[in-house]
Amino acid sequence: AQSVTQLGSHVSVSEGALVLLRCNYSSSVPPYLFWYVQYPNQGLQLLLKYTSAATLVKGINGFEAEFKKSETSFHLTKPSAHMSDAAEYFCAVSETDSWGKLQFGAGTQVVVTP
Amino acid sequence: SQTIHQWPATLVQPVGSPLSLECTVEGTSNPNLYWYRQAAGRGLQLLFYSVGIGQISSEVPQNLSASRPQDRQFILSSKKLLLSDSGFYLCAWSPGPYGYTFGSGTRLTVV
Repeated sequence: AQSVTQLGSHVSVSEGALVLLRCNYSSSVPPYLFWYVQYPNQGLQLLLKYTSAATLVKGINGFEAEFKKSETSFHLTKPSAHMSDAAEYFCAVSETDSWGKLQFGAGTQVVVTP
Repeated sequence: SQTIHQWPATLVQPVGSPLSLECTVEGTSNPNLYWYRQAAGRGLQLLFYSVGIGQISSEVPQNLSASRPQDRQFILSSKKLLLSDSGFYLCAWSPGPYGYTFGSGTRLTVV
């Protein structure tokens, strides 16, 4: 069985500061991992995904994430926060031998302060 | 390219009324289709998924049902809405274990 834990339901960062969102997973087989972003009253948009290629994955809007198997983690980072990064972020896992059902974390709401 | 359409964007329905939300996918065939609900403060809850026409799996027993009458059409229904059915409903599709593409969502308010 697979599960995802996102540490921190709310994160506040200053504009220009580092954004770090934590995600840990559990999976019985090698996983695929994803980060999605959701703006108010909109669907979720894929930021980036890890599908067993490079462990450092670059995504849209300057975000990147690193897959660390030893730590079962897939933390999301952005070096310099922008006001437009204010949104809710979801980490998700899919087992590679499944037909595609994702297990989502509870989400982290990011607030960016001037 | 593939696109997913979901409608309506917002809906206000009285308790006890029926519900029908529709989702269609273009540009692909035999997609895996999903219905999720976001209730305030409760994250994403998978309601139904489908791997083919007429094949529906339910994740959570509830007042809702789903149908897939055509390959790229996925419908979420209820015969009688409850207040607890309020939330943000999201349709998504995937070609396999490589992540979802989500629709824009439907905000349902049951009054």
